[in-house]
Amino acid sequence: EADIYQTPRYLVIGTGKKITLECSQTMGHDKMYWYQQDPGMELHLIHYSYGVNSTEKGDLSSESTVSRIRTEHFPLTLESARPSHTSQYLCASSESGTGFTGELFFGEGSRLTVL
Amino acid sequence: LAKTTQPISMDSYEGQEVNITCSHNNIATNDYITWYQQFPSQGPRFIIQGYKTKVTNEVASLFIPADRKSSTLSLPRVSLSDTAVYYCLVGESNYQLIWGAGTKLIIKP
Repeated sequence: EADIYQTPRYLVIGTGKKITLECSQTMGHDKMYWYQQDPGMELHLIHYSYGVNSTEKGDLSSESTVSRIRTEHFPLTLESARPSHTSQYLCASSESGTGFTGELFFGEGSRLTVL
Repeated sequence: LAKTTQPISMDSYEGQEVNITCSHNNIATNDYITWYQQFPSQGPRFIIQGYKTKVTNEVASLFIPADRKSSTLSLPRVSLSDTAVYYCLVGESNYQLIWGAGTKLIIKP
């Protein structure tokens, strides 16, 4: 089983609140990712990191921010939540490697509802 | 960035072999083909990855023709627990992968 954990699993919060979604992995993977997925829809990459102190924006514009201070930890923050941020957020990690994309290990997701 | 085309949904029965074909006409030389499975309210799970010809592991086989413009995921003797969404992806790096809507596979008793 993959050792990647997301908290909280479910969060209902009011508009304007600041939230942080936590993601931790114990596999020592350098690469980590955040995806956004609406029910029944495709995954969209919103942030990724090659390693400590590295963060990049994905193909889907997002008002969220991320940080990577430790290898195992990749939190996502929304400074002021809005109803349009309601979605499922999936964290993933992979090994650094050459010659192949590397298996993505996903957490169980954080389902965010903004009222 | 290569996009893929796969059936929106498929039905099958327990004990049958299921083949899901994916089209990726614009696949690049360095792209790998990867399949993931996703159950409701969970993150996707890696199934199999290949570059050319045939790859087999304990859960599936992946068939890739010489031109690499398509691939077929084969699930032997499916069970009800194989009901899920299956994604076909092509890319050189994970941050390049474009996730489509996948194929919703429903296994009936």
